[in-house]
Amino acid sequence: NAGVTQTPKFQVLKTGQSMTLQCAQDMNHEYMSWYRQDPGMGLRLIHYSVGAGITDQGEVPNGYNVSRSTTEDFPLRLLSAAPSQTSVYFCASRSGGGPRYEQYFGPGTRLTVT
Amino acid sequence: AQSVAQPEDQVNVAEGNPLTVKCTYSVSGNPYLFWYVQYPNRGLQFLLKYITGDNLVKGSYGFEAEFNKSQTSFHLKKPSALVSDSALYFCAVRQTDSWGKLQFGAGTQVVVTP
Repeated sequence: NAGVTQTPKFQVLKTGQSMTLQCAQDMNHEYMSWYRQDPGMGLRLIHYSVGAGITDQGEVPNGYNVSRSTTEDFPLRLLSAAPSQTSVYFCASRSGGGPRYEQYFGPGTRLTVT
Repeated sequence: AQSVAQPEDQVNVAEGNPLTVKCTYSVSGNPYLFWYVQYPNRGLQFLLKYITGDNLVKGSYGFEAEFNKSQTSFHLKKPSALVSDSALYFCAVRQTDSWGKLQFGAGTQVVVTP
């Protein structure tokens, strides 16, 4: 199993550009989520999905879109990049068995918006 | 609402000495509690979790944590620290009736010196 994979590893965008961060998992996990990590703030939830076709907002959803057409993939779209979106982005997944299960994290995407 | 506090930004310890990383939480209802570790330029790795039962939980790499309901704490401990334990440690909480949202603390940087 590759676990949770993310592409790209690094990305530099100009203000106003759009892009999609890719996330895939091969563990047949129902639950997937996107976090951003900023210094001194821990990880903050952007969006999450409890299964294909079902998504919901997290703590900091503004400026981001998600969709979940398959169990495996959960892409994160930045609609119009802003410098405030400079961060490290992590995708995670866990078993759909319930909230007692731990999450598995991808290696992250480091995004810089100039 | 749920929240997590990690009161120390950094913990310094000499190799071979005991290591403690503190975590307190606030949640309405019963919590599920997790510890994750992040090595430089890597994603988060699961260390251990408290779900129910024994208040002392043992996890990976010789770490353990003690759940204290009266003090709403879940401190991470290791009897004898190694230089390789130097990393960023995150405590996280999820309400038992919350399907999705995992609340992270801000993280504690552990530095173990030879």
